[in-house]
Amino acid sequence: KQEVTQIPAALSVPEGENLVLNCSFTDSAIYNLQWFRQDPGKGLTSLLLIQSSQREQTSGRLNASLDKSSGRSTLYIAASQPGDSATYLCAVFKAAGNKLTFGGGTRVLVKP
Amino acid sequence: GAGVSQSPSNKVTEKGKDVELRCDPISGHTALYWYRQRLGQGLEFLIYFQGNSAPDKSGLPSDRFSAERTGESVSTLTIQRTQQEDSAVYLCASLKARGAASVETQYFGPGTRLLVL
Repeated sequence: KQEVTQIPAALSVPEGENLVLNCSFTDSAIYNLQWFRQDPGKGLTSLLLIQSSQREQTSGRLNASLDKSSGRSTLYIAASQPGDSATYLCAVFKAAGNKLTFGGGTRVLVKP
Repeated sequence: GAGVSQSPSNKVTEKGKDVELRCDPISGHTALYWYRQRLGQGLEFLIYFQGNSAPDKSGLPSDRFSAERTGESVSTLTIQRTQQEDSAVYLCASLKARGAASVETQYFGPGTRLLVL
């Protein structure tokens, strides 16, 4: 059974610092890994999707890496801003079943 | 509409009552998912619809939970005889999936917050 773990569960940084969020998964038989952002009272917004054959994806200040063999992904957010405050969820799309398995999320607070 | 919509946005009910939650996916999206998110936790998969195929119900926690979808349109999630542990946010997502589902992202609705007293 696929398990996805995110560490830390919560993170508080001053504005301008870089954020590093970690995600690990137990079963390397994945098609892709996705990072989502969740704001209070709202649904999830997809940030980055990394195919299993890729090592990283970048979008603006966001960069996500994937090491499938070790079951790890890291989301980097450069030069954090208060607007980056949210919960960040990683999820893996399993090789069978057409479904996403989510981690518990990391709650991020960027202080002005 | 531009995105996935869900109704109601909030629902308070008494233990033992039935509730029905609705999801309107993005037009043209063949796949639809229901997830549950308990307070402070990640999302749990509940059920998956893909076109006219039999749904994947492997995530439904008990026989009190059921869901329907007609074709590629609206879906309803029904919880019978609600219990306090059913309190959670119920999220719906849709996916185009015309090609390989693995290269596409799911689009999520805002969720329905269910509180069972």
